[in-house]
Amino acid sequence: DGGITQSPKYLFRKEGQNVTLSCEQNLNHDAMYWYRQDPGQGLRLIYYSQIVNDFQKGDIAEGYSVSREKKESFPLTVTSAQKNPTAFYLCASSIAAGGPYNEQFFGPGTRLTVL
Amino acid sequence: GIQVEQSPPDLILQEGANSTLRCNFSDSVNNLQWFHQNPWGQLINLFYIPSGTKQNGRLSATTVATERYSLLYISSSQTTDSGVYFCAVDNYGGSQGNLIFGKGTKLSVKP
Repeated sequence: DGGITQSPKYLFRKEGQNVTLSCEQNLNHDAMYWYRQDPGQGLRLIYYSQIVNDFQKGDIAEGYSVSREKKESFPLTVTSAQKNPTAFYLCASSIAAGGPYNEQFFGPGTRLTVL
Repeated sequence: GIQVEQSPPDLILQEGANSTLRCNFSDSVNNLQWFHQNPWGQLINLFYIPSGTKQNGRLSATTVATERYSLLYISSSQTTDSGVYFCAVDNYGGSQGNLIFGKGTKLSVKP
């Protein structure tokens, strides 16, 4: 089955802790994205990566970090510097970033709650 | 940056009714997608439609790029159609390709 997987589904964190959210895809897509969704809102871009070993900040990157060491994987770390991390996090991928190959497909999401 | 507005914000239908959801955007786009977010949060791709008309079963979509709007039609609605429908567009000419989302239309279909 081709698709995007995210783990864990639910994550609880104490204030001051860093946590890492996993995102894996087997679609052979070059581009990957992390979005954040708050209740009653649309999605906002945190980071994106057009190719392995490259990534760029999105609109709300402060307090987050990413890596892209493998094509299939794009983990997101929520650091203690993120002031309001409780949210629903969605990972997406596309054949390429921009242009006609930018149809994005999403994983099932991770719900992060800070206690 | 580009603005995306969806209307109506909320919609309640009886099963079997038809509906039209609208998405207005403020600038030219390369990409426009419609998604359905189910109660578990999963975003399901409905249409990739930067221009023209597409149909998939009871759903169809039309984008008029020159007038900067898109419409999603749902016919003979079912309770399983309930959820939030998002329109998302990219930044035309931008290399990053990220999608700008509207705030969604929350659809409730009553049996």
